[in-house]
Amino acid sequence: GAGVSQSPSNKVTEKGKDVELRCDPISGHTALYWYRQRLGQGLEFLIYFQGNSAPDKSGLPSDRFSAERTGESVSTLTIQRTQQEDSAVYLCASGGTSYEQYFGPGTRLTVT
Amino acid sequence: GQQLNQSPQSMFIQEGEDVSMNCTSSSIFNTWLWYKQDPGEGPVLLIALYKAGELTSNGRLTAQFGITRKDSFLNISASIPSDVGIYFCAVRVFGNEKLTFGTGTRLTIIP
Repeated sequence: GAGVSQSPSNKVTEKGKDVELRCDPISGHTALYWYRQRLGQGLEFLIYFQGNSAPDKSGLPSDRFSAERTGESVSTLTIQRTQQEDSAVYLCASGGTSYEQYFGPGTRLTVT
Repeated sequence: GQQLNQSPQSMFIQEGEDVSMNCTSSSIFNTWLWYKQDPGEGPVLLIALYKAGELTSNGRLTAQFGITRKDSFLNISASIPSDVGIYFCAVRVFGNEKLTFGTGTRLTIIP
């Protein structure tokens, strides 16, 4: 497709359950980023991939959060034992040779 | 971490008015980006600035990378209804791939 896609668009889960969020970057983009956006706030960086390696995981809030990427394509962000404070929109972005990042529509996660 | 002070937090204007918003920091950056976010969507890149003093336009939008590398502004001329949304500045530090975002400026157009 032409842009970054994310699935699901919305996810409601019970506290304590695990969730997986998926990101399909723009074809050919080597860099992939995950951000979190709490209601009414700016974006917080979570993790960055270059290819399938993650040189910067500094934004992951706890060891319940992990991410992986297959080659230079799909990435999944996994949140284990979800907590209510994990409720947010999770945004994925991809980038090519410039430093510009192009965002997907996000996955809205609600933990009840 | 880096702190970006984005102002104003919100703006209420009439259609046709010009808009100005800015971001400042105590730190130096080598890339400034401006994004717009509509409800339920991801941010869309408006303008990217890579050089201190650079002034770049994209249609009715104009942004400048401050000469001190610690600030940037975004101007929108002759606002129209589709300009409504939240505008974010974002910065990148050399050698670090992540973006740090400002807190956003919410633009509302009063009928």
